[in-house]
Amino acid sequence: NAGVTQTPKFRVLKTGQSMTLLCAQDMNHEYMYWYRQDPGMGLRLIHYSVGEGTTAKGEVPDGYNVSRLKKQNFLLGLESAAPSQTSVYFCASSYSLRGTGDTEAFFGQGTRLTVV
Amino acid sequence: AQSVTQLGSHVSVSEGALVLLRCNYSSSVPPYLFWYVQYPNQGLQLLLKYTSAATLVKGINGFEAEFKKSETSFHLTKPSAHMSDAAEYFCAVSGAGGYQKVTFGTGTKLQVIP
Repeated sequence: NAGVTQTPKFRVLKTGQSMTLLCAQDMNHEYMYWYRQDPGMGLRLIHYSVGEGTTAKGEVPDGYNVSRLKKQNFLLGLESAAPSQTSVYFCASSYSLRGTGDTEAFFGQGTRLTVV
Repeated sequence: AQSVTQLGSHVSVSEGALVLLRCNYSSSVPPYLFWYVQYPNQGLQLLLKYTSAATLVKGINGFEAEFKKSETSFHLTKPSAHMSDAAEYFCAVSGAGGYQKVTFGTGTKLQVIP
């Protein structure tokens, strides 16, 4: 059981380049998220998805796009990278049990992105 | 709207001493509360969660937290710190049931001094 897998783990981009980060989960979770982590700022939600084919904006969506064409995958795209997007990116997925409302998020290992 | 405030971005304790990491929350609905731990260069791992059952929640590695509604707090404690507890700890809040966005605090780095 791999859990949540992020690809790639490290990347260096030049300003203006584009790239896509891939997140895959094998737990059949409905909900998936992309966060960025910056020193002293905790985790900030970029975009999230409550199911296949759906996406929504989080706290800091500008400069990013996402797609959830398959339930197990959640892609984060940077169309034109900027130095301000240098960060560690985490993908997460979660379940929510009907009836009890119990929930828990599982995180990937992170992608360290540097934009020069 | 929901939020959490973690008091102290850095906490240092001696090995064997009590660990106390503070978290206060704000929520307009009954909250679910979580503590996650992040070891260097790794993702976040769930330590424990409160989902409206017992107010004293026990987690992994000897950690526990108590939900206090009157104080809107969910502080994380461990009776005796171990060197391996050195990490960053995040408190988080979400609403109960269905999809509810999880909001994280800014994190507290725990240093354990030999």
